[in-house]
Amino acid sequence: RKEVEQDPGPFNVPEGATVAFNCTYSNSASQSFFWYRQDCRKEPKLLMSVYSSGNEDGRFTAQLNRASQYISLLIRDSKLSDSATYLCVVTRATSGGSYIPTFGRGTSLIVHP
Amino acid sequence: DADVTQTPRNRITKTGKRIMLECSQTKGHDRMYWYRQDPGLGLQLIYYSFDVKDINKGEISDGYSVSRQAQAKFSLSLESAIPNQTALYFCATSDTRDSSTDTQYFGPGTRLTVL
Repeated sequence: RKEVEQDPGPFNVPEGATVAFNCTYSNSASQSFFWYRQDCRKEPKLLMSVYSSGNEDGRFTAQLNRASQYISLLIRDSKLSDSATYLCVVTRATSGGSYIPTFGRGTSLIVHP
Repeated sequence: DADVTQTPRNRITKTGKRIMLECSQTKGHDRMYWYRQDPGLGLQLIYYSFDVKDINKGEISDGYSVSRQAQAKFSLSLESAIPNQTALYFCATSDTRDSSTDTQYFGPGTRLTVL
C-alpha cells in the first residue's frame, strides 16, 4: 500500500460547485499534513496546512481525521482558476528522528464554465 | 528574483552522459531536497540535506548523487543518464525554524529528457 493515496480524478465540476477530495495515509505516526496546489508543468505551492482541529482559508476547508488516517480538502464556490492538481503531503519520521514529506500522486480538478 | 532557482530549465541528453542539475536558494533555509516527478506518479524524493554536512538518500536515490556545496546550493548529478531518468526534477527548500509547518518552497523545475 502506498504511504499516501489520493483519487487521481479528474474531478470535473461546474463553476460554483462544491467539491471535496480525500487523502489517506498509512503511517499512524505521521506528524504534519498539508495540501499543495500544482498547476500544469509548474512547481507545487503550499495551499494550506491541515490541523487536527480543522482549518479554513476563504473557500477552502481542510480536515484531519487521525483515527481513520485521512485528510480532506473542501472547495466551495469553485472558480475556473481552481483548476489544478491538488497534492496531499504527509510527513514521516526518519531513522534520525527528523521528519520528511511524502507526496500523494495528486487529484486533478477541472472547473468548467 | 525567484527565491529558489534551478539550472538548466530544460535539457536533452543522450544515454550514458553525465548530467548535473543545479539548485540555488536565497531564502536562507537550511534544508534542501531533490524530487523527480513522472506523469501520474507524484513527486518522489531522491535526496535531501538538512545542512551542509548532512545528506540523506530518499526513496529513489539509485543512479543519482548529490553535492551540498554551501547552504544555498544543492546539486544533483546523474553519472550515466538512462532513458527512464527522463522526468521533471524539482528542488525544494524548507526551514527547521518553521517547525510548525515545514513548508516546502519549490524551484521552477528542470525538464530532463534522456534519449
